[in-house]
Amino acid sequence: ETAVFQTPNYHVTQVGNEVSFNCKQTLGHDTMYWYKQDSKKLLKIMFSYNNKQLIVNETVPRRFSPQSSDKAHLNLRIKSVEPEDSAVYLCASSFDRADTQYFGPGTRLLVL
Amino acid sequence: QEKVQQSPESLIVPEGAMSSLNCTFSNSASQSIWWYQQHPGKGPEALISIFSNGNKKEGRLTVYLNRASLHVSLHIRDSQPSDSAVYLCAVRGNYKPTFGKGTSLVVHP
Repeated sequence: ETAVFQTPNYHVTQVGNEVSFNCKQTLGHDTMYWYKQDSKKLLKIMFSYNNKQLIVNETVPRRFSPQSSDKAHLNLRIKSVEPEDSAVYLCASSFDRADTQYFGPGTRLLVL
Repeated sequence: QEKVQQSPESLIVPEGAMSSLNCTFSNSASQSIWWYQQHPGKGPEALISIFSNGNKKEGRLTVYLNRASLHVSLHIRDSQPSDSAVYLCAVRGNYKPTFGKGTSLVVHP
């Protein structure tokens, strides 16, 4: 049963375009995350929000920006995509920062 | 910066066998170690976690942690074809998880 929802499932775009990915969790969790998973399955944390406040902001290019309207939603915007942005973007949530993380199914991005 | 390495990269076992996966990390003060299972096209799913030295058992899964040797292992007893997936080791320090590259497990009938 999916409790972390991501849209879209898949997105193809051209270099230089702007894209936005949405994530919603229905678990009542306080903390949400964005991860990038490359073609070799390596998962790297990008951002983490706790109660709408940014608590983890890894070294990612400035074209990436997270947006949180409330603690159930965490979106990701990429201002001007590059070919190296092609990856799967995974959203996750947890009750608190030390608790089990629940992942969504991911958004696969392909930049041509 | 935390470093997490997993071995082997891939593992093939017959149905009913024990599957053993390894993970080494770089910081003995890491708060917790988690194992995730990821099927193709899906997000990772947390399986089991361990915080203290020693072992922890849940169903067919047993995890062993040795902080002195910076090593954690996951053992799956009576492996089933449905266990075929990528297994990710994640180490949490300062509430920020670092993942390994994963072990691809194939259990053949």
